[in-house]
Amino acid sequence: DAKTTQPNSMESNEEEPVHLPCNHSTISGTDYIHWYRQLPSQGPEYVIHGLTSNVNNRMASLAIAEDRKSSTLILHRATLRDAAVYYCILRDVGGGADGLTFGKGTHLIIQP
Amino acid sequence: DAGVTQSPTHLIKTRGQQVTLRCSPKSGHDTVSWYQQALGQGPQFIFQYYEEEERQRGNFPDRFSGHQFPNYSSELNVNALLLGDSALYLCASSLPTGTDTQYFGPGTRLTVL
Repeated sequence: DAKTTQPNSMESNEEEPVHLPCNHSTISGTDYIHWYRQLPSQGPEYVIHGLTSNVNNRMASLAIAEDRKSSTLILHRATLRDAAVYYCILRDVGGGADGLTFGKGTHLIIQP
Repeated sequence: DAGVTQSPTHLIKTRGQQVTLRCSPKSGHDTVSWYQQALGQGPQFIFQYYEEEERQRGNFPDRFSGHQFPNYSSELNVNALLLGDSALYLCASSLPTGTDTQYFGPGTRLTVL
């Protein structure tokens, strides 16, 4: 899997939007962009994924740059429960047998 | 619908001992992956099991081995434990195709003294 780069930490206020960036300049045409998060004392959980178009689900939105070399996870209205480590991961469409390659992720701190 | 379950929750062993960790996948999932997460780090892929065979392996020594049973549950075995094996061991289940979501269990915290 290609490498991703994320800020070590970010801080935001409760009930405000949060934009978590991820750079993946060496992404290939068959790499999907996945986001997982890990709440304290829990295993990672899936957030969202996309290939080229922006994606929305009940948890978040994923904005993908036109050249696909970067993406942004958007939490529209952060709550204290969104405090977690967020991981941006590239996964090849044919990589069914491959494990997820986690970096250190972004530690998101939410202030009340 | 039960999610991924792991046992035990916590485990303390001494150097040189052997340990077995267990995982039951989410209902309907036939693929199980194991990860090691050291303190302050992201999870590192150990291996994946599908159809009772090890399908892919990360950069871990042969001391780490596994098994998958016909009901898709899985075990992770670690022999000759080292202090550096102290970590959170995570199990994830999924369907076997490339972009399917992996569902993680809460993990087993292993401490090696």
